[in-house]
Amino acid sequence: DQQVKQNSPSLSVQEGRISILNCDYTNSMFDYFLWYKKYPAEGPTFLISISSIKDKNEDGRFTVFLNKSAKHLSLHIVPSQPGDSAVYFCAASRGTNNNDMRFGAGTRLTVKP
Amino acid sequence: GAGVSQSPSNKVTEKGKDVELRCDPISGHTALYWYRQSLGQGLEFLIYFQGNSAPDKSGLPSDRFSAERTGGSVSTLTIQRTQQEDSAVYLCASSLNSFTDTQYFGPGTRLTVL
Repeated sequence: DQQVKQNSPSLSVQEGRISILNCDYTNSMFDYFLWYKKYPAEGPTFLISISSIKDKNEDGRFTVFLNKSAKHLSLHIVPSQPGDSAVYFCAASRGTNNNDMRFGAGTRLTVKP
Repeated sequence: GAGVSQSPSNKVTEKGKDVELRCDPISGHTALYWYRQSLGQGLEFLIYFQGNSAPDKSGLPSDRFSAERTGGSVSTLTIQRTQQEDSAVYLCASSLNSFTDTQYFGPGTRLTVL
């Protein structure tokens, strides 16, 4: 049962434009969400997170939006840079000390110069 | 190196053999996690350690999989009687205290079962 879904396996954008990566979840008990970025041959690196008490969290060029009613979150990267080309994973967990974090399948972002 | 390290980086084994994967977390991190990523799949949570204990073993795919952590530091993931479907990249991560702390991932071990 895939509780976290990233329905777009790939996304291609032009350098300087906005990249929007989407993630949907089915379990309404999830209340903490994270985005990870993964380059080939490397482990994922933490990018940004958001708890369910917020609907937006911003860190530099990266902003995560959470729509709890739609069970949807998105990661916006603006402006996109070629170095942002990577696979982006969305993850969700329950509670503040929960063991069960679920990941989406990832979206491969390609930023073209 | 202050990051999470894993060994070996690559492992090729024959079906039916046992393999042991090692993870060295960041010093001082009490939480340690094992994941795997199969070709074309997302990250799959396997097991989580808080200190030396593993409160959640529900993600282990079968009883051929086991993990231990000693001294609150190094962890080993053991797969017995490997099967071809075990082929994947096995990732280890650590965080300071809990799941809501940032997890820092190691480079992974690529396991290929022939």
